[in-house]
Amino acid sequence: SQKIEQNSEALNIQEGKTATLTCNYTNYSPAYLQWYRQDPGRGPVFLLLIRENEKEKRKERLKVTFDTTLKQSLFHITASQPADSATYLCALSYYGNNRLAFGKGNQVVVIP
Amino acid sequence: NAGVTQTPKFRILKIGQSMTLQCAQDMNHNYMYWYRQDPGMGLKLIYYSVGAGITDKGEVPNGYNVSRSTTEDFPLRLELAAPSQTSVYFCASSSGIRETRYEQYFGPGTRLTVT
Repeated sequence: SQKIEQNSEALNIQEGKTATLTCNYTNYSPAYLQWYRQDPGRGPVFLLLIRENEKEKRKERLKVTFDTTLKQSLFHITASQPADSATYLCALSYYGNNRLAFGKGNQVVVIP
Repeated sequence: NAGVTQTPKFRILKIGQSMTLQCAQDMNHNYMYWYRQDPGMGLKLIYYSVGAGITDKGEVPNGYNVSRSTTEDFPLRLELAAPSQTSVYFCASSSGIRETRYEQYFGPGTRLTVT
């Protein structure tokens, strides 16, 4: 079955630097790869979606890359701010299937 | 728009009791989902629905039931609650229109403890 791996260790980063998170998956490549943000005690919030034929997607200070050869997505937060502190979830979906498979998430702590 | 709403926010159940977790969305989304999230774990899909009257099992359906009689509502029923069902439950919805159907909108969650 599909495995989705995100770093279990929190990423501590100084304000203003770029935070980079990794999402690795096994087996077959998804049609779509998404990133969500989750704050403590709240539901996940959709951030970005990237398709399998796209290499990179940007939204404001966020950038996502998708490498189907490496079976990996990178999620970047540039000019990080304390308000970016949260857990970030990677999620995969496949053609003809509306379901998402989620990774466990990776916590980011931005230090002022 | 209220988006996706869930009630209750918190609940404590005794082993063997039953309850229904309510979920409603006002975005006219066709697709709705129920997940559970255990500490340090990813979201696990319990059940999902692609429209009124249509439901299907996800990854962890045992001990749960769902129904979808309207587009707006997607209640999750727990029968004979067990300690293993202690978790945070999230309801989500998505539009069903082209690739935006993959973008899910989540409710605030219900924290359930079974003792």
